[in-house]
Amino acid sequence: QLHLQESGPGLMKPSETLSLICTVSGGSTSDSRYFWAWIRQPPGKGLEWIGTIYYSGVSYYNPSLKSRVTLLVDTAKNYFSLKLNSVTAADTAVYYCARFGGSPHFGELLGGYFDSWGQGTLVTVSS
Amino acid sequence: DIHLTQSPSSLSASVGDRVTITCRASQIISRYLNWYQQKPGRAPKLLVYAASTLQSGVPSRFSGSGSGTDFTLTITSLQPEDFATYYCQHSYSTPDTFGGGTKLEIK
Repeated sequence: QLHLQESGPGLMKPSETLSLICTVSGGSTSDSRYFWAWIRQPPGKGLEWIGTIYYSGVSYYNPSLKSRVTLLVDTAKNYFSLKLNSVTAADTAVYYCARFGGSPHFGELLGGYFDSWGQGTLVTVSS
Repeated sequence: DIHLTQSPSSLSASVGDRVTITCRASQIISRYLNWYQQKPGRAPKLLVYAASTLQSGVPSRFSGSGSGTDFTLTITSLQPEDFATYYCQHSYSTPDTFGGGTKLEIK
């Protein structure tokens, strides 16, 4: 049974760098059938895709956040991570990590879906 | 970017009712459309992928249909545990985008 667990700071100040880790158990970040993703949800609002990374390190980012986001994967320690620079109050959200898979096109995002999610972690940006 | 428009944004229904939620894409996305259910304080849960394939373990009262730009999620015989917010999401291209959500409430 796959389990994803987010960890990171709950409270941050504007201009700081957010660092989150998603620890994977019951599965492997080196499994070539899957990608690993971050999605966020501001309080009371909808879902926003942040980015997705493959075990090889190839990553895809939401253009709206690309200049501030870095995704990394550590297959040896079986986790992947998110860094978001220069946070503001607008970055206050629940951050979810998720597994992305199921594409009929091996190694591609086309046609895939988020089939397993972490519980989410609330990050609040406030001075 | 491909934009997904869900309708209605909210819906009131009773246990036992049949409800339909619509998701319209701003361009053709083949059948690369997924549906998720989210309950308050919980992570989203995958219900349907590739427009009409039910995820393992999801009750058969849920069904999805559509292709191209127009998609629907139907719930037949609503159960108390079905009252939640539903999101569509496409995986035709990056950025993967989600619809704005449909909140299904008890009448």
